[in-house]
Amino acid sequence: EAGVAQSPRYKIIEKRQSVAFWCNPISGHATLYWYQQILGQGPKLLIQFQNNGVVDDSQLPKDRFSAERLKGVDSTLKIQPAKLEDSAVYLCASRLSSGSTDTQYFGPGTRLTVL
Amino acid sequence: SQKIEQNSEALNIQEGKTATLTCNYTNYSPAYLQWYRQDPGRGPVFLLLIRENEKEKRKERLKVTFDTTLKQSLFHITASQPADSATYLCALHTGGFKTIFGAGTRLFVKA
Repeated sequence: EAGVAQSPRYKIIEKRQSVAFWCNPISGHATLYWYQQILGQGPKLLIQFQNNGVVDDSQLPKDRFSAERLKGVDSTLKIQPAKLEDSAVYLCASRLSSGSTDTQYFGPGTRLTVL
Repeated sequence: SQKIEQNSEALNIQEGKTATLTCNYTNYSPAYLQWYRQDPGRGPVFLLLIRENEKEKRKERLKVTFDTTLKQSLFHITASQPADSATYLCALHTGGFKTIFGAGTRLFVKA
């Protein structure tokens, strides 16, 4: 079974530029998560999708971050404009269903550096 | 305020010994708790899940305990090996299936 795919793996941008990350979850997984993991901290949930609908985006800085999951499969996370404090690893995870205790499967992450 | 605390100091142990990692929480009532392993440059990998009505769970050399009175979970690795060196994250799951992660504890196992 293929795992969660993310691209790019690394990205370096200047502050105020925009950037987009892509995630392809495990086939058949209805729930998709985007997390931000700052160095030395645990992953922090940004947004959770159930199929193509948003379940929780309470911690997403909506003035600069946006995410979509068209057709309930792949997802993109965008930052525009980026700030220095956005430097982090952005992790995508998927889960069979949010209504169960199934585990989340994480992708390798995208390491973003904002200069 | 709600908080999850894991040992911020790295844990250094000798190969063959038992590693014990702690996860304490306040102001949460988790439905269940999970432990994940994270290696540098990789996403977390699920290890064990324990529910609020369970006291202990085991899987091979791993053991997790969950004390909802103390608001604490302990994660044990017996007969530790250098390959067990990684960061271990605990994650609480609230009734709304929201996942909240601790900052993790780095474990180093010396040969």
